[in-house]
Amino acid sequence: DADVTQTPRNRITKTGKRIMLECSQTKGHDRMYWYRQDPGLGLQLIYYSFDVKDINKGEISDGYSVSRQAQAKFSLSLESAIPNQTALYFCATSDRGTRSRNEQFFGPGTRLTVL
Amino acid sequence: DQQVKQNSPSLSVQEGRISILNCDYTNSMFDYFLWYKKYPAEGPTFLISISSIKDKNEDGRFTVFLNKSAKHLSLHIVPSQPGDSAVYFCAASARETSGSRLTFGEGTQLTVNP
Repeated sequence: DADVTQTPRNRITKTGKRIMLECSQTKGHDRMYWYRQDPGLGLQLIYYSFDVKDINKGEISDGYSVSRQAQAKFSLSLESAIPNQTALYFCATSDRGTRSRNEQFFGPGTRLTVL
Repeated sequence: DQQVKQNSPSLSVQEGRISILNCDYTNSMFDYFLWYKKYPAEGPTFLISISSIKDKNEDGRFTVFLNKSAKHLSLHIVPSQPGDSAVYFCAASARETSGSRLTFGEGTQLTVNP
């Protein structure tokens, strides 16, 4: 079973619709992240959370919101989707530990298309 | 402001030869560097990392070199295998940001030809 799961894997929606992407993890990690990947731009951080009560904006948070419902769950919402939010979205987790502090474990991604 | 840059979008090598992927950074506060590999329809997976107190880290066929004065790191794969064909992302973090936030480069598509 995958340690980090994302649902849905693919989604096509229309401009103005509200969309929620969900992420669940069984790794027991405190820290969770949402990224988007666009061709030629690598992965850009949208939001991150170091624990259930800690939510932080990343590089490109405008137009997005998140909810950390539990240690294992971190959801990303697009309140009113627009076409330039068409991208591949990844959830990731990491441990609070020291030596491995930077290693993040990624889910399989959600391909979102906004028409 | 792209703090981590991978200037080569793609690289093609022959099986058995060396693959060298390059990465440059601008933020002098970065103190930990990672390489991730990504296959189509999958999330990135961690490959190898290096702390700024070292200049080389080796793991099997993979070696990462860090040149702090040049703010440059490279990933060497020897020998390259067709299964190494993937997108490779360079990433960096700074202790001041709690050490968890990663800044990624654009990625380099490596193709290893049989």
